[in-house]
Amino acid sequence: KQEVTQIPAALSVPEGENLVLNCSFTDSAIYNLQWFRQDPGKGLTSLLLIQSSQREQTSGRLNASLDKSSGRSTLYIAASQPGDSATYLCAVRRTSGSRLTFGEGTQLTVNP
Amino acid sequence: DAGVIQSPRHEVTEMGQEVTLRCKPISGHNSLFWYRQTMMRGLELLIYFNNNVPIDDSGMPEDRFSAKMPNASFSTLKIQPSEPRDSAVYFCASSLWGMDREETQYFGPGTRLLVL
Repeated sequence: KQEVTQIPAALSVPEGENLVLNCSFTDSAIYNLQWFRQDPGKGLTSLLLIQSSQREQTSGRLNASLDKSSGRSTLYIAASQPGDSATYLCAVRRTSGSRLTFGEGTQLTVNP
Repeated sequence: DAGVIQSPRHEVTEMGQEVTLRCKPISGHNSLFWYRQTMMRGLELLIYFNNNVPIDDSGMPEDRFSAKMPNASFSTLKIQPSEPRDSAVYFCASSLWGMDREETQYFGPGTRLLVL
């Protein structure tokens, strides 16, 4: 059974800092991995998706990497801003058309 | 694109009443997912459909919950009878799966359900 772990559970940083969020999964046989953010009281917003054949994806100040063999992904946020404050979740999909297995999330607070 | 549409956005009902939550997936998507989120249990997958067919309903809590997808553009999640412990935010999500598809999953805004 796939298990997804996110460390740390919560993170507080000053504005402008570069930061890394971690995601690990127990079964390396994945189809893809997706990072989401969730603002309080809102739904999940997709940030980046990495296919199993890819090593990284970038969108603006965000960069997600994937090391399938070690069962790890990181989300790098450059020059953090207060607007980045949210909960960040990673999720993995085992095969095409299957469900996502989510981590518990990392609650990020960026202080002005 | 309007995104995933859910209705109602908020629902307050009394214990024992029937509750019906509705979802319209993104046009062209062929996978639909129902989730429930609470502080205590986090985000839980209840059921998902591929091409309108239920694939995995192992997350459905009990017989009081049922979900249907009569066509590619509409799904319902029904709770009958509702109980206070069903209070949660219910999310619907959709994606496009198939050969060489990325299958990015898009979430709706959620329905906040309170059962008194």
